[in-house]
Amino acid sequence: KAGVTQTPRYLIKTRGQQVTLSCSPISGHRSVSWYQQTPGQGLQFLFEYFSETQRNKGNFPGRFSGRQFSNSRSEMNVSTLELGDSALYLCASSFGQSYNEQFFGPGTRLTVL
Amino acid sequence: QQQVKQSPQSLIVQKGGISIINCAYENTAFDYFPWYQQFPGKGPALLIAIRPDVSEKKEGRFTISFNKSAKQFSLHIMDSQPGDSATYFCAASIILGGSNYKLTFGKGTLLTVNP
Repeated sequence: KAGVTQTPRYLIKTRGQQVTLSCSPISGHRSVSWYQQTPGQGLQFLFEYFSETQRNKGNFPGRFSGRQFSNSRSEMNVSTLELGDSALYLCASSFGQSYNEQFFGPGTRLTVL
Repeated sequence: QQQVKQSPQSLIVQKGGISIINCAYENTAFDYFPWYQQFPGKGPALLIAIRPDVSEKKEGRFTISFNKSAKQFSLHIMDSQPGDSATYFCAASIILGGSNYKLTFGKGTLLTVNP
């Protein structure tokens, strides 16, 4: 069974640009969550989508947005990039019922110059 | 405000020893406490998880001990092996909007097991 895949794996952008990251969940999983990982702040929850609807949201500015498609694939978008947005962005998928295990992808390493 | 505090930041253990990582939480509404293991270049992987109606859960060499009154939980790795060298994260969540996937993570513990 294929795991969670994230594309691209590495990305370099400049301040002010926008970026779109993609996540393909494990087949059959309907929930996709996004996390930001930085050395200073650790792992922080961005948002969760289930059946194309945002079900939970973290404390990030509106520049961070996401969506989920009917095939459960998800994208997150960051507009007007700032230096502080440099991080590893992780996607996790699950069947979507409470306490189901979340499976993380390898992440997308975003560097903002 | 850091809702889940994890210690120590780093830990060095000899092969065969016991590794102990501790976490404390503030929000009494948390009802799910997983531990994740992360290797360099990989995403976190679920090791073991516990709910507050149980004081201890064991899976192989990994044990979670949970103290609801003290709002603390810990991970014990018995017979630690060099392959256990990784970063370990504790986390906590409550059910929101039908799921408990809004995880609040500790800052992580870098475990090194010397051969």
